[in-house]
Amino acid sequence: DTEVTQTPKHLVMGMTNKKSLKCEQHMGHRAMYWYKQKAKKPPELMFVYSYEKLSINESVPSRFSPECPNSSLLNLHLHALQPEDSALYLCASSPAGHRTDTQYFGPGTRLTVL
Amino acid sequence: QKEVEQNSGPLSVPEGAIASLNCTYSDRGSQSFFWYRQYSGKSPELIMSIYSNGDKEDGRFTAQLNKASQYVSLLIRDSQPSDSATYLCAVQLDQLDKLIFGTGTRLQVFP
Repeated sequence: DTEVTQTPKHLVMGMTNKKSLKCEQHMGHRAMYWYKQKAKKPPELMFVYSYEKLSINESVPSRFSPECPNSSLLNLHLHALQPEDSALYLCASSPAGHRTDTQYFGPGTRLTVL
Repeated sequence: QKEVEQNSGPLSVPEGAIASLNCTYSDRGSQSFFWYRQYSGKSPELIMSIYSNGDKEDGRFTAQLNKASQYVSLLIRDSQPSDSATYLCAVQLDQLDKLIFGTGTRLQVFP
């Protein structure tokens, strides 16, 4: 089973709203990732958690706040977003974050900021 | 020079033909290479991973790696219309502790 789940599937929010994206995996993976993907572009890495600790932050604006409450769960808290933040947000996980590990992607959350 | 480069396409092939997708990368020390397939509006799905020089086959898919030329390719035999998608090459660069994606090649298989 290589399933990563994400909720919600779609999210529409205003610039003053606070919302959260959720990602879950039950494969025992110890590395989890957030990516942002704009139309016709490849995924861009935002954050990496390894063994529940933030290991990479790709200079993401502070209006995006990641959280890893446990090894199975990854959240992305959103606050005061801009319309240009509208994109597909992808979560991925890998066994241990090693360079040979395969990353498995969830179905994504389609975010629209009005 | 971009870290991972792919021809954006579209690459159009007839049903039943071999589709050949190519990718070059800049970091000679890279160790891990992945091909993902992404249908429009969906998330990337792993097709193949390859770590050693040579060919790796899985069903209709063959990945080829040439580290000396810094080149990785994906062959799809007996292409089907359902193979029509964007194919993303991803490289775990040695210099950066993250997976870098190419811009993707759009494949169109026509009946």
